[in-house]
Amino acid sequence: NAGVTQTPKFQVLKTGQSMTLQCAQDMNHEYMSWYRQDPGMGLRLIHYSVGAGITDQGEVPNGYNVSRSTTEDFPLRLLSAAPSQTSVYFCASSVDATYEQYFGPGTRLTVT
Amino acid sequence: AQSVTQLGSHVSVSEGALVLLRCNYSSSVPPYLFWYVQYPNQGLQLLLKYTSAATLVKGINGFEAEFKKSETSFHLTKPSAHMSDAAEYFCAVTGGGGGGADGLTFGKGTHLIIQP
Repeated sequence: NAGVTQTPKFQVLKTGQSMTLQCAQDMNHEYMSWYRQDPGMGLRLIHYSVGAGITDQGEVPNGYNVSRSTTEDFPLRLLSAAPSQTSVYFCASSVDATYEQYFGPGTRLTVT
Repeated sequence: AQSVTQLGSHVSVSEGALVLLRCNYSSSVPPYLFWYVQYPNQGLQLLLKYTSAATLVKGINGFEAEFKKSETSFHLTKPSAHMSDAAEYFCAVTGGGGGGADGLTFGKGTHLIIQP
């Protein structure tokens, strides 16, 4: 099992550009989520999904979109990147929201 | 709403000394509690979890944590620190069996420094 994979590992964007962060898991987990990690802030939930076709907002959803067309994939879209979105992004998956989550290796995004 | 407080953004101990990382939570429902470790430039790895079974939970790498409901605490300990324990540690909570779907609420993290 590859577990949770994320691409790319690093990305630099200019303000206003759009991009998609990819996340995939091969554990047949229904629950998937996206977090951002900023220094001194811990991890904050952006969006989550409890199954294919179902998504919802977390604590910091503004500026991000998600979709869940398959159980395996949960991409995160930045529609118009801003410097405030410079962060490390982690995707995670789990059997459900109350169990331990398995994290991907992260994507380090810089917006200039 | 749930919250997690980790006392001390940085904790420094000598190699071989006791490690104690503090975590207090607030939760309106019986919680599930987790400790994760993050090594530099890596993702998060689960150390241990409490899911309403035994209150003393043993994890990987010699770590353990005790759930104390009366103190709303879930402190992480290790009897003897090793240089390889240097990392960022995160405490997290979910709503347990009756919780909502919005996953983990994390503390801000504690950076553990091991002095030789």
